[in-house]
Amino acid sequence: GAGVSQSPSNKVTEKGKDVELRCDPISGHTALYWYRQSLGQGLEFLIYFQGNSAPDKSGLPSDRFSAERTGGSVSTLTIQRTQQEDSAVYLCASSLGGTLTYGYTFGSGTRLTVV
Amino acid sequence: AQSVTQPDIHITVSEGASLELRCNYSYGATPYLFWYVQSPGQGLQLLLKYFSGDTLVQGIKGFEAEFKRSQSSFNLRKPSVHWSDAAEYFCAVGADSTLTFGKGTMLLVSP
Repeated sequence: GAGVSQSPSNKVTEKGKDVELRCDPISGHTALYWYRQSLGQGLEFLIYFQGNSAPDKSGLPSDRFSAERTGGSVSTLTIQRTQQEDSAVYLCASSLGGTLTYGYTFGSGTRLTVV
Repeated sequence: AQSVTQPDIHITVSEGASLELRCNYSYGATPYLFWYVQSPGQGLQLLLKYFSGDTLVQGIKGFEAEFKRSQSSFNLRKPSVHWSDAAEYFCAVGADSTLTFGKGTMLLVSP
């Protein structure tokens, strides 16, 4: 597509429930990133996919967080047993070839609220 | 590991006045440096980037930034601010294939 698409744009969930957030990157972009943006905390790196390589999961805050990328395109970030501290905006970005030359293109994010 | 500091959480500038947003980074090698802007409810948009060469880089919307290795800084500037520039600005440093972001500076523009 023309840009990075994320869905849903807003999600309210009850504490303890599981949620899935979706990211559809720009066609042809082999690298995909998930970041979390909490109020006053800037952007926190979560996970990075590049082509068929094993993902860099070094930023995932706990084992309740996982992500997959199917067919080298769409990615799903799953948060199990959500907690109130998981409330944040989750941003997805993609880039061409996993290089920083072009920077990232970001989606508009999913605002997650855990009540 | 790399890190980015944006010392100013908020800045208020009068419309038409000049702007400088500060960014300091920590990284052992020659950094890849970026500035992004985020309007409310939107994703981040790339303003400009620095990889090598000329230390003064031009970006979109009339913004520029200067890389100063001796000061580990990459400050963002604009000669005349418009009301539409009100947004949050993020500086980032790149290593390998990932970016590390600062906590952002919120720019408010007064009439």
